[in-house]
Amino acid sequence: DVKVTQSSRYLVKRTGEKVFLECVQDMDHENMFWYRQDPGLGLRLIYFSYDVKMKEKGDIPEGYSVSREKKERFSLILESASTNQTSMYLCASSFVAGLEQYFGPGTRLTVT
Amino acid sequence: DAKTTQPTSMDCAEGRAANLPCNHSTISGNEYVYWYRQIHSQGPQYIIHGLKNNETNEMASLIITEDRKSSTLILPHATLRDTAVYYCIVRVGSDTNAGKSTFGDGTTLTVKP
Repeated sequence: DVKVTQSSRYLVKRTGEKVFLECVQDMDHENMFWYRQDPGLGLRLIYFSYDVKMKEKGDIPEGYSVSREKKERFSLILESASTNQTSMYLCASSFVAGLEQYFGPGTRLTVT
Repeated sequence: DAKTTQPTSMDCAEGRAANLPCNHSTISGNEYVYWYRQIHSQGPQYIIHGLKNNETNEMASLIITEDRKSSTLILPHATLRDTAVYYCIVRVGSDTNAGKSTFGDGTTLTVKP
C-alpha cells in the first residue's frame, strides 16, 4: 500500500515562528502536493512539485514556501506563522501518469 | 477544471446501496471524474475515477451518463465505516494540471444502523 506520512498530527506554534511541516511518501511518486483544509472552504492547493527541486504555486501560496530536495520528501515552510494560517494541512502524492492522489493523515496546526 | 455540484448531505441505511450524485454539466472531453472520501480526522482517500465508461473496483462503482454531465458513485452495501464526506472532482488528465483543482464541500454521507 502507498504510504504518505506527515511529521506531526498536531502542532501549536506562536505568531512569528518559522514552521516546518514535512511529508514523506514511499512509492517513488513524481508529484507531491500541499493543501490546507478549512471549514466551508474545502481543500485548497498551496504548492505542488512534479520533480525534485521543481515547484509550482497553487491557489493560495502567499505566506508559504516549499522545498523538495529528495524525491520522497516535500516540506512546507511557514516563514513567519500567523493566526490566519491555523488550519489542517494535508500532503498528497501521485504517480506521473496517473492522477490518483494518496493523502497523508494531516497536520492540525494552531498558531496562537 | 469543470465545477461540480453535490448535495450537502445524505443518509443511508446500513447494508443498503448508497447512491451519491454529482453534476458536472460543463465537463470537457478530456476531463476525468474522480471520487474521493474523507473520514473524520483523516486525509482524503481515493475511491475511483472514470472518463466515459462505467467503472467498478473493490470499493465502489461509478456510473457516468452518456452526455457526461453527471455521475453517480455507488457503494453497494454501505457500512457504518462508510460514513464520510464524499468529494466529486473533475480534472484534466495531464501532469501539469494534476492536483490543481480544489476539492469543494462534498456530500456528507451518514450510514445509519
